[in-house]
Amino acid sequence: DAGVIQSPRHEVTEMGQEVTLRCKPISGHNSLFWYRQTMMRGLELLIYFNNNVPIDDSGMPEDRFSAKMPNASFSTLKIQPSEPRDSAVYFCASSLGGTDSSYEQYFGPGTRLTVT
Amino acid sequence: DQQVKQNSPSLSVQEGRISILNCDYTNSMFDYFLWYKKYPAEGPTFLISISSIKDKNEDGRFTVFLNKSAKHLSLHIVPSQPGDSAVYFCAASAQFQGAQKLVFGQGTRLTINP
Repeated sequence: DAGVIQSPRHEVTEMGQEVTLRCKPISGHNSLFWYRQTMMRGLELLIYFNNNVPIDDSGMPEDRFSAKMPNASFSTLKIQPSEPRDSAVYFCASSLGGTDSSYEQYFGPGTRLTVT
Repeated sequence: DQQVKQNSPSLSVQEGRISILNCDYTNSMFDYFLWYKKYPAEGPTFLISISSIKDKNEDGRFTVFLNKSAKHLSLHIVPSQPGDSAVYFCAASAQFQGAQKLVFGQGTRLTINP
């Protein structure tokens, strides 16, 4: 298995532009998570999906952030409009979900976002 | 309010010696605890976990200890090897609507000196 795939690996954009981050979870995994890592706040959960349905989006910082999961093999995290304070590394992770071993999450390599 | 805390941002250990990384938590509802390892430019990778009903779990050179009364867990690596140099994250898990939600500590950067 290729593991969790994220694209792009690096994104540099100007303030005010729309940014879309993409994730392909591990095949067969039912839960998908979006995280953001910054120096100040560490690794924080933004939103997660179970069986393609958003379950908890309480970590999404504000309305400029939105996430979708149109099918079991694809998810997007969109920031519109982007701001310099959104600069961070964004990770996607997936897990089996719903079983005793579902706590183990597999992370993608991350997208490093820089907003100038 | 940080529910999971790693109070040591960095740790330096001699190769061959024991590395001990510590983690404290506040929420007694957590049912699993995990350690993740992260190299630069990569995502965190799962290392070892422990259920809240146990006090020790061992996997090769890695052992995790859980002290529920103190709400404290630790990761022991023995013997430490240069390849163990990485950032280690402690995470606590709680079941929420069909998925296990993880809360991460801030991480501890471990450096193994030859």
